[in-house]
Amino acid sequence: GEDVEQSLFLSVREGDSSVINCTYTDSSSTYLYWYKQEPGAGLQLLTYIFSNMDMKQDQRLTVLLNKKDKHLSLRIADTQTGDSAIYFCAETPNNAGNMLTFGGGTRLMVKP
Amino acid sequence: ETGVTQSPTHLIKTRGQQVTLRCSSQSGHNTVSWYQQALGQGPQFIFQYYREEENGRGNFPPRFSGLQFPNYSSELNVNALELDDSALYLCASSFPGLEAYNEQFFGPGTRLTVL
Repeated sequence: GEDVEQSLFLSVREGDSSVINCTYTDSSSTYLYWYKQEPGAGLQLLTYIFSNMDMKQDQRLTVLLNKKDKHLSLRIADTQTGDSAIYFCAETPNNAGNMLTFGGGTRLMVKP
Repeated sequence: ETGVTQSPTHLIKTRGQQVTLRCSSQSGHNTVSWYQQALGQGPQFIFQYYREEENGRGNFPPRFSGLQFPNYSSELNVNALELDDSALYLCASSFPGLEAYNEQFFGPGTRLTVL
């Protein structure tokens, strides 16, 4: 199985908050990331968090990290239809250079 | 500043054939990583090249090979294609610095279909 796990699907209404969750297994990971992938496009880095942080906020995005439970979440405030995409969490295992290990992705659907 | 580009955009091959995919890294980046993304899954790391040398490899068989050129562009070669090789192949470039973190910039990918 994958080292990084995510739920497959999330549906929200426009204007609501979205919370996408992720669990990982490598406690030595120094950085954890959230990427966005729109249809037919490559991956876009949304935000990242260093492993010694609990929270990081960047405009509408809030990342929460619980190292004890190896749980990472991405909250998108005031979700818009343009936020509809697949969201991947990823980790950089220690001593692995900058190789990324991705989860399976969560498809976010935003309804008007 | 030019972003990461990949060619071709789409490709159809048959089982047993060989394929070469190409990637031009972002200006100033000396590291290229390749990922395979099967339909409905997350990307899986294939290998990474740093200054023309392989610098890490994922769980892929030897028929997946690569090259990096002096201008830091890169090729991914796959021999003896199998149906399961059908996927989106993503290239990412970066410039490792003194900081542990460095952002990888992804290209749009090459969609390979093996019939």
